[in-house]
Amino acid sequence: AQTVTQSQPEMSVQEAETVTLSCTYDTSESDYYLFWYKQPPSRQMILVIRQEAYKQQNATENRFSVNFQKAAKSFSLKISDSQLGDAAMYFCAYRTNPNAGGTSYGKLTFGQGTILTVHP
Amino acid sequence: ETGVTQTPRHLVMGMTNKKSLKCEQHLGHNAMYWYKQSAKKPLELMFVYNFKEQTENNSVPSRFSPECPNSSHLFLHLHTLQPEDSALYLCASSQGFGTGYGYTFGSGTRLTVV
Repeated sequence: AQTVTQSQPEMSVQEAETVTLSCTYDTSESDYYLFWYKQPPSRQMILVIRQEAYKQQNATENRFSVNFQKAAKSFSLKISDSQLGDAAMYFCAYRTNPNAGGTSYGKLTFGQGTILTVHP
Repeated sequence: ETGVTQTPRHLVMGMTNKKSLKCEQHLGHNAMYWYKQSAKKPLELMFVYNFKEQTENNSVPSRFSPECPNSSHLFLHLHTLQPEDSALYLCASSQGFGTGYGYTFGSGTRLTVV
């Protein structure tokens, strides 16, 4: 079974600065998807960024980018020019690519989450 | 409008009560999910439905009973719950069970069992 680990229960950053959230995962599969979700106090889980394991290029969405190290099974999220609205719980998640024949296809496995505080 | 709507937003119930959580999506997604989110624990997948058929039940106690009458609606019927069942219950949906895209989540129901 896949496991996802976020080793930083809490992180803080000054507004306009850059912060990196860590995520590692364990899998024996070669083809899968990785995600970062944001959960603000409104509780709405919002997809931030998505990475396909077969793509070597790191995904980028505006101020959000990832550092995907497949061999190391690491998937960190970098938030540049942090804004007050970025304050939230961030979850790393793993999803098996069903085209690879995984038996747990479709299921998202989440890490424990990292609470990000942004200071003005 | 988030695309996935959950009601009620908050629910307080006694251990002998029977209540239901409702989830609705009009995104054209054909897979729907129930997750439990407890403090200081990872999100736990409870049930998966694909085209109205239950495809996964992760050893959830029988006091939780899901129902999926169609691809747009998902219910979670609750009865004789325990205080440890207090948590945030999140519903999600996805397009194409096998596309690898992420899920769309609702805002959850905050359940308190007293």
